[in-house]
Amino acid sequence: KNEVEQSPQNLTAQEGEFITINCSYSVGISALHWLQQHPGGGIVSLFMLSSGKKKHGRLIATINIQEKHSSLHITASHPRDSAVYICAGKEPDKLIFGTGTRLQVFP
Amino acid sequence: DSGVTQTPKHLITATGQRVTLRCSPRSGDLSVYWYQQSLDQGLQFLIQYYNGEERAKGNILERFSAQQFPDLHSELNLSSLELGDSALYFCASSSGVLQEQFFGPGTRLTVL
Repeated sequence: KNEVEQSPQNLTAQEGEFITINCSYSVGISALHWLQQHPGGGIVSLFMLSSGKKKHGRLIATINIQEKHSSLHITASHPRDSAVYICAGKEPDKLIFGTGTRLQVFP
Repeated sequence: DSGVTQTPKHLITATGQRVTLRCSPRSGDLSVYWYQQSLDQGLQFLIQYYNGEERAKGNILERFSAQQFPDLHSELNLSSLELGDSALYFCASSSGVLQEQFFGPGTRLTVL
């Protein structure tokens, strides 16, 4: 059974701090989605990556295929980054979701 | 705005009833996925359609069914509703099976 494990479950930070969220996945998953879910419930796709590194603004996602591990980094965190971050492993026909990391950034 | 639309935004109904949730994918996307997010279970994959054909099934109950129409919009039908069906239902679309998925705003279903 393919699995996706995420850590930490909860994370608090002061504005400006560098944040890392980790995701490990099992064999059979070909790519990783990073998603952001705001308190209102909407889900935004941040990245999908199957190798290397992607950057968008203050967000950076990396993936290590050999170690089956991905990280999401947020540089210079801001209170508006407060959300639940979810990694999802991509099987051919569906996503398998991690349990999410609840991030709170305080001013 | 992801380009994926879902209606209605909120739905309140009673046990035993039947509801239909609608999803319009991004322009040009052929794949539609349905997901359920309940408080105690997190996000769960329900079903996927590709260009009108069912492609994959996940944890979808027999009381639930879906279809994708020739114009590529999709509907998720939930029948004989139970209290436990209360959840957020998301659809997502992608241009192909291996492509990034983009999520709609969700439909919040409350069963009383």
